[in-house]
Amino acid sequence: SAVISQKPSRDICQRGTSLTIQCQVDSQVTMMFWYRQQPGQSLTLIATANQGSEATYESGFVIDKFPISRPNLTFSTLTVSNMSPEDSSIYLCSGGGGRGDTQYFGPGTRLTVL
Amino acid sequence: GIQVEQSPPDLILQEGANSTLRCNFSDSVNNLQWFHQNPWGQLINLFYIPSGTKQNGRLSATTVATERYSLLYISSSQTTDSGVYFCALDLRSNTGKLIFGQGTTLQVKP
Repeated sequence: SAVISQKPSRDICQRGTSLTIQCQVDSQVTMMFWYRQQPGQSLTLIATANQGSEATYESGFVIDKFPISRPNLTFSTLTVSNMSPEDSSIYLCSGGGGRGDTQYFGPGTRLTVL
Repeated sequence: GIQVEQSPPDLILQEGANSTLRCNFSDSVNNLQWFHQNPWGQLINLFYIPSGTKQNGRLSATTVATERYSLLYISSSQTTDSGVYFCALDLRSNTGKLIFGQGTTLQVKP
């Protein structure tokens, strides 16, 4: 199994600013992903964080709004740019071995935008 | 795209009761996982179960891949079982990406 930590655990931000969320895995994983959970909703995949190359975004999510880095096999960051109140959500990263493998989740970052 | 439907959407139990949560899906899958999201938002892996039956204490799960459904059984429920239960699927054509159902919100009353 993998243990995943995220920083910060929560934040309150002003409209128009940006926040970078860090995700650290305690072991090398093949795949890392970022998800968003809007209030009262299920989880939606934002993007696949690719090691050493540009992230792969799902429909409805773009790099300018959610730039992602993954410099190595255990670390990734997600930036929420030019925030608005609609970005208030829990952001979760996950990691695992790849297709058909178990995915493990970090504790999430609870973001509130005023 | 794939449809993932969970039922019931909400469930209230008295402590000690048993329950069954269901997850129906519309396509073949590589991976099916059940998660419990506690009131603090943490997603906890319960089962990795693309097929067959597994048991862990008071919880067990069964996936019948050919009929495209999975069941999560909770026996002798406790107040700490409260939270949201999600099933999540990885399609055969994808690589590790999970599609989540809408969840079942469980409240266990003392």
